[in-house]
Amino acid sequence: RKEVEQDPGPFNVPEGATVAFNCTYSNSASQSFFWYRQDCRKEPKLLMSVYSSGNEDGRFTAQLNRASQYISLLIRDSKLSDSATYLCVVKGRRSGAGSYQLTFGKGTKLSVIP
Amino acid sequence: GAVVSQHPSWVICKSGTSVKIECRSLDFQATTMFWYRQFPKQSLMLMATSNEGSKATYEQGVEKDKFLINHASLTLSTLTVTSAHPEDSSFYICSAHPGLNTEAFFGQGTRLTVV
Repeated sequence: RKEVEQDPGPFNVPEGATVAFNCTYSNSASQSFFWYRQDCRKEPKLLMSVYSSGNEDGRFTAQLNRASQYISLLIRDSKLSDSATYLCVVKGRRSGAGSYQLTFGKGTKLSVIP
Repeated sequence: GAVVSQHPSWVICKSGTSVKIECRSLDFQATTMFWYRQFPKQSLMLMATSNEGSKATYEQGVEKDKFLINHASLTLSTLTVTSAHPEDSSFYICSAHPGLNTEAFFGQGTRLTVV
């Protein structure tokens, strides 16, 4: 099983649609969870952190289920500007070491069409 | 938010030459920085963890003699791709965290093309 696995995509949705992305992770000891957005040929930028209680930021809602090791991102009322690749990111301790690392999913590409 | 600056943003070099990429944390100190590589339509893959004042930690399959990392200060890490070959052409990105439980901030990335 891959460490962080996402929906393969691509998702092509019309403006105004609601779209959901899913992500699963294999390391039950993972500590922090994030959704990043990456535009073509650009660096990733934080969209939102993900908490067990669920969190919302405008049109974006993120949820975490630690028992199922599952993370989701819901985008409501999609805009053209939402077109990007969405990366599921998990942070945890490196095995056998004191440092931590981020593990990225492969990303899910979203295209919002007029 | 915190700022991480990476330079250059793109570089084209001849096969066999070396290329140095700089990563700076502009408004915080970073004892640890991370170097990633991303091939087209692939995820970011961690290459190495750069540790200030000590040796970098390389991921399995990454040649430490080819990808030299130096983290000489709390705000600067460099990645040198030595004797670059066309297969090294990729998007290289660095990141750093202002704190243990904070988000990662990424440099703008460096697109390397080896011809």
